[in-house]
Amino acid sequence: EAGVAQSPRYKIIEKRQSVAFWCNPISGHATLYWYQQILGQGPKLLIQFQNNGVVDDSQLPKDRFSAERLKGVDSTLKIQPAKLEDSAVYLCASSLSGIRDFGPGTRLLVL
Amino acid sequence: GENVEQHPSTLSVQEGDSAVIKCTYSDSASNYFPWYKQELGKRPQLIIDIRSNVGEKKDQRIAVTLNKTAKHFSLHITETQPEDSAVYFCAASAQGQNFVFGPGTRLSVLP
Repeated sequence: EAGVAQSPRYKIIEKRQSVAFWCNPISGHATLYWYQQILGQGPKLLIQFQNNGVVDDSQLPKDRFSAERLKGVDSTLKIQPAKLEDSAVYLCASSLSGIRDFGPGTRLLVL
Repeated sequence: GENVEQHPSTLSVQEGDSAVIKCTYSDSASNYFPWYKQELGKRPQLIIDIRSNVGEKKDQRIAVTLNKTAKHFSLHITETQPEDSAVYFCAASAQGQNFVFGPGTRLSVLP
């Protein structure tokens, strides 16, 4: 079974630029999550989708972050404009029965 | 909301010794407690989990214990090996709620 796929794996941008990340969950997993993992910390939830609907986006900085999952499968997370403190690994995860399967993450560096 | 603390932040053990990592949680409604292992530059992977109706669960060299009254749970790794070196994250969640991750423990197994 293929795991959660993410791209790109690495991204370097300057502050105030925009960036987008893509996630393809495990086939059949209705729930999709985006987490932000700052160096030395545990993953922090940004947004949770159930199919193509948002379940929880209470910790998403909506002034600069947006996410969508239009067809209930793939998802994109966008940051516009990026700030220095957005430097982190962005992890996508999907689940069928509550157990999270994580993707490899996208490492973002904002200069 | 839920708050998860984790100790120690770093742990060094000799190969063959045991390692214990402890987590505390604040929300008495939490009933699911997974542990994730994250090797350097890789995705978090579930290694063991426990639900609140069980006090202990074991899988080969790994075990988790849960004390609901005290609201703490622990990961025990016996006969540690160099490949156990990684960052370990605990998490807690209530039914239908999100995972809240601890800050992580960096385990180093010295040969």
